[in-house]
Amino acid sequence: KNQVEQSPQSLIILEGKNCTLQCNYTVSPFSNLRWYKQDTGRGPVSLTIMTFSENTKSNGRYTATLDADTKQSSLHITASQLSDSASYICVVSATGGGADGLTFGKGTHLIIQP
Amino acid sequence: GAGVSQSPSNKVTEKGKDVELRCDPISGHTALYWYRQSLGQGLEFLIYFQGNSAPDKSGLPSDRFSAERTGGSVSTLTIQRTQQEDSAVYLCASRQTPGLAGGPNTGELFFGEGSRLTVL
Repeated sequence: KNQVEQSPQSLIILEGKNCTLQCNYTVSPFSNLRWYKQDTGRGPVSLTIMTFSENTKSNGRYTATLDADTKQSSLHITASQLSDSASYICVVSATGGGADGLTFGKGTHLIIQP
Repeated sequence: GAGVSQSPSNKVTEKGKDVELRCDPISGHTALYWYRQSLGQGLEFLIYFQGNSAPDKSGLPSDRFSAERTGGSVSTLTIQRTQQEDSAVYLCASRQTPGLAGGPNTGELFFGEGSRLTVL
């Protein structure tokens, strides 16, 4: 069964600090992995996509990594800002399978304190 | 419109009533998804449409839930005889068909802002 596990479940850090969110998956055959950001009361928005051949990708202060051998991804946030407070959801795509091959993690709830 | 539009944004109803939630996807997006999100929880898959057909409706929690899509565009999620446990945010998402079966599947999901349902 395809699964996506995210950790930690929740995280509180001070503004300006860095943090790293983890995503472990058992999805096969792997196609790609996306990180979404969901602000409170809003729909999720894609931050970055990682395909099999990509190890690192940056989007401003967000840097995603992918290790396809260990089936792990991380999202690193540098110099956090209050606006980074949100839930971060890892979504892994497999070719074929139910729901058009998408498996969602439960998300990490991040709170940035001033 | 420019994005995925959902209505109503908020709905309060009494237990036992029927409700309809509407999703208007991005023009040209053939794939449409419904998810449910309870307070503080992750997204729970409900149903997926490809065009007007639903290849995967495995997430619908009971026969009180149904959905349809017409003209390859607007979708309606109907909940009959609502129960208090149906209270949640219902999110709709759409995307272009990611690719042929077995091929790369990179299509980004575009979400609406959700319909918050409260059953009293």
